[in-house]
Amino acid sequence: SQKIEQNSEALNIQEGKTATLTCNYTNYSPAYLQWYRQDPGRGPVFLLLIRENEKEKRKERLKVTFDTTLKQSLFHITASQPADSATYLCALNDDNQGGKLIFGQGTELSVKP
Amino acid sequence: EAQVTQNPRYLITVTGKKLTVTCSQNMNHEYMSWYRQDPGLGLRQIYYSMNVEVTDKGDVPEGYKVSRKEKRNFPLILESPSPNQTSLYFCASSPYTGVAGELFFGEGSRLTVL
Repeated sequence: SQKIEQNSEALNIQEGKTATLTCNYTNYSPAYLQWYRQDPGRGPVFLLLIRENEKEKRKERLKVTFDTTLKQSLFHITASQPADSATYLCALNDDNQGGKLIFGQGTELSVKP
Repeated sequence: EAQVTQNPRYLITVTGKKLTVTCSQNMNHEYMSWYRQDPGLGLRQIYYSMNVEVTDKGDVPEGYKVSRKEKRNFPLILESPSPNQTSLYFCASSPYTGVAGELFFGEGSRLTVL
């Protein structure tokens, strides 16, 4: 069956540390993988998109990797801040479904001062 | 300001009473979509539209209708709401119609059906 799995448990880290969130997928053929941030009661906000032929993408303190062999994407926030606390969603475009965007359930990140 | 606007943001209704959730975007995007978000199930696509007068079913279309008469508007219609449609609904738009690029989401509409 097709699955997108993110860390099911909330991630708690100390301010200043690097947060690493995982997104694993099964039986999809993504051409792209995207990461979104969602604050409580708000709509998701796009952060980064990485293509299947890209290994790594960076934007300020954010870094995303995409390994199509492992079927995994890692999302890193360096020098984390309490303001980074939110739920982070990964989403992939499935080539076999006309590029439709499919979301994971999200990982809740809490950064403590 | 570029945005996707949904109304109402909160609604409590009763089983069987037709309702419409409006969605409007001011970015001239071709692609629009509706999602529902439920605990443990994540975001699931209800319907999407690649362009005016073109709509398609997503993963959970049962009990919903949509229309796309104008590029900027994409209302979600619940003809006869039931309690299992209690959820948080998001409208989203994108400038891409093929392999989707980034989605711009509205603030959400929290619907409770009693």
